[in-house]
Amino acid sequence: QKEVEQDPGPLSVPEGAIVSLNCTYSNSAFQYFMWYRQYSRKGPELLMYTYSSGNKEDGRFTAQVDKSSKYISLFIRDSQPSDSATYLCATAGGYNKLIFGAGTRLAVHP
Amino acid sequence: DADVTQTPRNRITKTGKRIMLECSQTKGHDRMYWYRQDPGLGLRLIYYSFDVKDINKGEISDGYSVSRQAQAKFSLSLESAIPNQTALYFCATSDGGKALQETQYFGPGTRLLVL
Repeated sequence: QKEVEQDPGPLSVPEGAIVSLNCTYSNSAFQYFMWYRQYSRKGPELLMYTYSSGNKEDGRFTAQVDKSSKYISLFIRDSQPSDSATYLCATAGGYNKLIFGAGTRLAVHP
Repeated sequence: DADVTQTPRNRITKTGKRIMLECSQTKGHDRMYWYRQDPGLGLRLIYYSFDVKDINKGEISDGYSVSRQAQAKFSLSLESAIPNQTALYFCATSDGGKALQETQYFGPGTRLLVL
């Protein structure tokens, strides 16, 4: 079993839709979770992070962690074509090494 | 100028050839990483270095070697390339941050094709 599982998609939505991206993780000791965004032909860049359980909001983006079910979510409100990218969830796997999910490819069409 | 640069950006090579991918950073970070990205598998850690004298194997180090020539430079070598090393390779840096709260900064990637 992979330590972080993520559905690779692709996910295609119309502009303005609410997008839900999800990951599951296996190790209950994980406490710090991140979402990276990767545009085509670019390296990933940190979008948001959240610690332990709860929500964190940044503009149209909300990161949520449910430790009881080991579930990580990223919600995008009022999605825009510029949000089209691959979104990777990640967690700190100890000693400052990150463990990444496979990434979900999102396409927002006008 | 980009903070993390990788050369070459694209490379085609043949099975058995030795190839080196280079990474340079101007962020002043001590920590550097090499990942490969494959469809459906995400980013997997090959090697990492927390300072010039510290080199560590990652999840998939077989067939690869690294050299940390300076704080700013970290090179990845494929001693004898094979087709299943065809992938997108990323270099990343970090300053370590607070415990577990590390942000990694990625280069633009090198697309490698081994024939």
